[in-house]
Amino acid sequence: DVRMNQSPSALSASIGDRVTITCRASQSIHIYVAWYQQKPGKPPKLLINRASILESGAPSRFSGSGSGTEFTLTISSLQADDSATYYCLQYGEYSWTFGQGTRVDIK
Amino acid sequence: EVQLLESGGGLAQPGGSLRLSCSGSGFSFGTYAIAWLRQAPGKGLEWVSVIGSSGVDTHYVDSVRGRFTISRDNSRNMVYLEMNGLRVDETAVYYCARRLPEDAMDVRGQGTAVTVSS
Repeated sequence: DVRMNQSPSALSASIGDRVTITCRASQSIHIYVAWYQQKPGKPPKLLINRASILESGAPSRFSGSGSGTEFTLTISSLQADDSATYYCLQYGEYSWTFGQGTRVDIK
Repeated sequence: EVQLLESGGGLAQPGGSLRLSCSGSGFSFGTYAIAWLRQAPGKGLEWVSVIGSSGVDTHYVDSVRGRFTISRDNSRNMVYLEMNGLRVDETAVYYCARRLPEDAMDVRGQGTAVTVSS
């Protein structure tokens, strides 16, 4: 199975900061990575598809990049509403696998 | 509006069985693959299974293969997850999601809670 190593596991940043979360895959998965945002008690919300395609309705401050084995989710200017846990998902190979998650807190 | 509604969760004994259902509306149900994922209390997300639009293709995470069975009835806009041999560590909220064409899962339901305990 493809392992997704997501880092950091948690971070604290101020409003307006640029935030970067990384996922490294144990083998190439081309561009088949998605990013999800999850708030407590809610289902995960799809933010980014195919590594860099912003889903309809997702704020433009979110962006994704990468291919092969290294992928990045960037929040260009952190807002209070971005406090959540973020997960990467690889769907290039079965079994699909999620990263361990990154909790983002606002300072 | 695209909606997916999970049901069938509840309490099961270790080694027991449950059947989860996922009902879809607001989209052409029979043209989408449907997946199940789960989240144990305080833990991360785990993909469980996916079924293709016609019901022919199915895939499972290794830990459930042979115990869980995914199926669908497109005439009723339903997908099912039959879970046998349940384990305590499979206590989780189970979500169904539609797979966007050749892309990732789009979770639209609130999930159904499964508790495996004696």
